[in-house]
Amino acid sequence: DIQMTQSPSTLSASVGDRVTITCRASQYISSWLAWYQQQPGKAPMLLIYKASNLQSGVPSTFSGSGSGTEFTLTISSLQPDDLATYYCQQYSDYPYTFGQGTKVEIK
Amino acid sequence: VQLQESGPGLVKPSQTLSLTCTVSGVSISADTYYWSWIRQPAGEGLEWIGHIYTSGRTNYNPSLRSRLTITVDTSQNQFSLKLSSVTAADTAVYYCATIPVATSQGFDFWGQGTMVTVSS
Repeated sequence: DIQMTQSPSTLSASVGDRVTITCRASQYISSWLAWYQQQPGKAPMLLIYKASNLQSGVPSTFSGSGSGTEFTLTISSLQPDDLATYYCQQYSDYPYTFGQGTKVEIK
Repeated sequence: VQLQESGPGLVKPSQTLSLTCTVSGVSISADTYYWSWIRQPAGEGLEWIGHIYTSGRTNYNPSLRSRLTITVDTSQNQFSLKLSSVTAADTAVYYCATIPVATSQGFDFWGQGTMVTVSS
């Protein structure tokens, strides 16, 4: 299985801060990577697909980059509604696998 | 597209967990999506269980393959999950979700999830 490792596990930032989350794959996955936001008590929501493509309806404060084995999710200006856990997921090979999650807290 | 999971919230150990996902807004026969199941134990991360295509072709997580069956019912616009010989480790919120076949965008639509507890 392809292992996905996110860092940090938790981060605390202020409203308006720029936030970056890193995801590393244990082997090459090209750009077959998605990012999801899961707000407390809700189902995950797709933010980014194919590493850098913004899903329709997602605010432009979210962006993704990277290819190969290293990827980042950036929130350019953190908003209170961004309180959530963020997951990366590879769909290069079966079984699809997720990172362990990064919990974003608002200071 | 809207997805709604349904099924028992409590299953006894060694029995079979059965869930159904009812699809609205798109025909499950339209070859548009891979119809997927994902689960999440309380306070933990996400685990892909498997998916099915309209043709009936499936891909399963090897960790569950020996206990898992995913089927599609085009007449009811539903797809289903059966997981046999369950243990407490199968306690989780179970989600159904879709992956577009043409664009491979990741899981773009999700159900609200249904909690399943394995306990006697």
